[in-house]
Amino acid sequence: KAGVTQTPRYLIKTRGQQVTLSCSPISGHRSVSWYQQTPGQGLQFLFEYFSETQRNKGNFPGRFSGRQFSNSRSEMNVSTLELGDSALYLCASSFGGLGGNEQFFGPGTRLTVL
Amino acid sequence: TQLLEQSPQFLSIQEGENLTVYCNSSSVFSSLQWYRQEPGEGPVLLVTVVTGGEVKKLKRLTFQFGDARKDSSLHITAAQPGDTGLYLCAGVRNNDMRFGAGTRLTVKP
Repeated sequence: KAGVTQTPRYLIKTRGQQVTLSCSPISGHRSVSWYQQTPGQGLQFLFEYFSETQRNKGNFPGRFSGRQFSNSRSEMNVSTLELGDSALYLCASSFGGLGGNEQFFGPGTRLTVL
Repeated sequence: TQLLEQSPQFLSIQEGENLTVYCNSSSVFSSLQWYRQEPGEGPVLLVTVVTGGEVKKLKRLTFQFGDARKDSSLHITAAQPGDTGLYLCAGVRNNDMRFGAGTRLTVKP
């Protein structure tokens, strides 16, 4: 069974640009969650999508958005990039979503904003 | 301020030693999970604890969920270099998951 894949693995952008990250969940999983990981703040929850609907949202500004497609693949978009957006962005898939279901994480996309 | 406080932040020990890391909160969680993350990879789930007072063992790792479901501990017996990594706890409540900042463990041969 293929694991969670994320593309691209590395990305360099400049301030003010926008970026789209992609996540392909494990086959059969309908929930995809996104997290931001930085040395200072640790792992922070961005949002969760389940069957194409955003079900939960963390405390991030509106510049961070996402969507999920009918095949459960998900994209995350960050507009008007700031230096502080440099981080490892992780997605995780699970069958039923948060609440005790096992989440499987992808390797992450390392975003650097210059 | 983190919702989940993990301690210690860093831990460096010799192979064969025992260690305990802690995950504390003032909030009650419906479940708590422990993950291990290695460089360049995403976190990997080690265990989920659901019931207050629950103890789970995974080979040399022992996980305990506090009676009040606000805290948890991870004890490793006879640590090995392969145990090196970032250990993260995550609390789940109301379909929301929050992670602690992690304990970075280094086990020296």
